[in-house]
Amino acid sequence: GENVEQHPSTLSVQEGDSAVIKCTYSDSASNYFPWYKQELGKRPQLIIDIRSNVGEKKDQRIAVTLNKTAKHFSLHITETQPEDSAVYFCAANTGYSTLTFGKGTMLLVSP
Amino acid sequence: SQTIHQWPATLVQPVGSPLSLECTVEGTSNPNLYWYRQAAGRGLQLLFYSVGIGQISSEVPQNLSASRPQDRQFILSSKKLLLSDSGFYLCAWRLQGDTEAFFGQGTRLTVV
Repeated sequence: GENVEQHPSTLSVQEGDSAVIKCTYSDSASNYFPWYKQELGKRPQLIIDIRSNVGEKKDQRIAVTLNKTAKHFSLHITETQPEDSAVYFCAANTGYSTLTFGKGTMLLVSP
Repeated sequence: SQTIHQWPATLVQPVGSPLSLECTVEGTSNPNLYWYRQAAGRGLQLLFYSVGIGQISSEVPQNLSASRPQDRQFILSSKKLLLSDSGFYLCAWRLQGDTEAFFGQGTRLTVV
């Protein structure tokens, strides 16, 4: 089955800095890669996603890049703010409509 | 619009007691349904998923079972809870294909 590795597990940045979270996947048939943000005690919510026919996607301060050859994708957050502090999950769509998630990255943005 | 309801929000149960968590989806038909468990505030582990009524796939052998008695209803059960069953349980739905998954509010289960 699919295996998704996510790094780092914890990331601390100063407000205004950029943050990058990286994921790798194992199944070359995976074709959809969402990113979720989960605030403490709440449900995960989609912040951005990318499909396998696209190499990069941007939405304001958030961008995602995908390298299908290398089987890795990354989340980039620019001009970080304290409210960006949360756990971020990457995921890959594989098999019969299942999503396999990475183990998460706790992002801490200090004012 | 589509909504997902999951209850209860919190639950404290003694070891050996049964469990039933319910999840319902409104505003869509024939969704794929999922149960995830999140331990220690990290890592989403897929427990079960269903692509149709009565169809259940188990990802991890364990002390839990799932059922889908109706198209938009997904139930997570246990006959006898273990301490290790404690965690944050999340129900989710999505349409087939490369689409977003929507999560319920979650149930925080503590087995004592």
